[in-house]
Amino acid sequence: GNSVTQMEGPVTLSEEAFLTINCTYTATGYPSLFWYVQYPGEGLQLLLKATKADDKGSNKGFEATYRKETTSFHLEKGSVQVSDSAVYFCALREPTGGFKTIFGAGTRLFVKA
Amino acid sequence: KAGVTQTPRYLIKTRGQQVTLSCSPISGHRSVSWYQQTPGQGLQFLFEYFSETQRNKGNFPGRFSGRQFSNSRSEMNVSTLELGDSALYLCASSLAGGDTQYFGPGTRLTVL
Repeated sequence: GNSVTQMEGPVTLSEEAFLTINCTYTATGYPSLFWYVQYPGEGLQLLLKATKADDKGSNKGFEATYRKETTSFHLEKGSVQVSDSAVYFCALREPTGGFKTIFGAGTRLFVKA
Repeated sequence: KAGVTQTPRYLIKTRGQQVTLSCSPISGHRSVSWYQQTPGQGLQFLFEYFSETQRNKGNFPGRFSGRQFSNSRSEMNVSTLELGDSALYLCASSLAGGDTQYFGPGTRLTVL
């Protein structure tokens, strides 16, 4: 079946450091790919998305590129802030119609001042 | 525009009881999906409803059920609660033909 694998956390960085969170997927067809962020005590917020190969999603300084050849969708940010501390989930939407989203395990990010 | 709302936000039940959770989607959204989030299993898809019909279903036992009303509001029901059902239950809504889900804050269910 379809699956998403993302790097285990926690990831601890100093403010202004470069962030990469790796994400790879297994899917039949051409799924849409997403990054969601979850702050403590809250639900998930969509961070960015990409719907086809070579698309780059971006939002709030975060970027991820849909790489079909490597089945990857790595999340990057050039300079993290303390306020970026959260749990990040990579996800795919199964390309079979409807909304069945498969999530990775999540990566917790801590950013120190 | 109001976001996805879920009620109640917190719930405590005992084993063997049943529970009903409610989700009101964003106005105009006709697709509603439910997810279970636990520390051990992460986020797992339960089911999706569209225009009052279940369109997709995850791998959960029959104790987990749901329905959607004509106004797109959705409920999920868990019968014969087990300790392992303790989780954050998240609801998400989306537009018909859309590609983005919008999540509610969740209902935290604790089974004692």
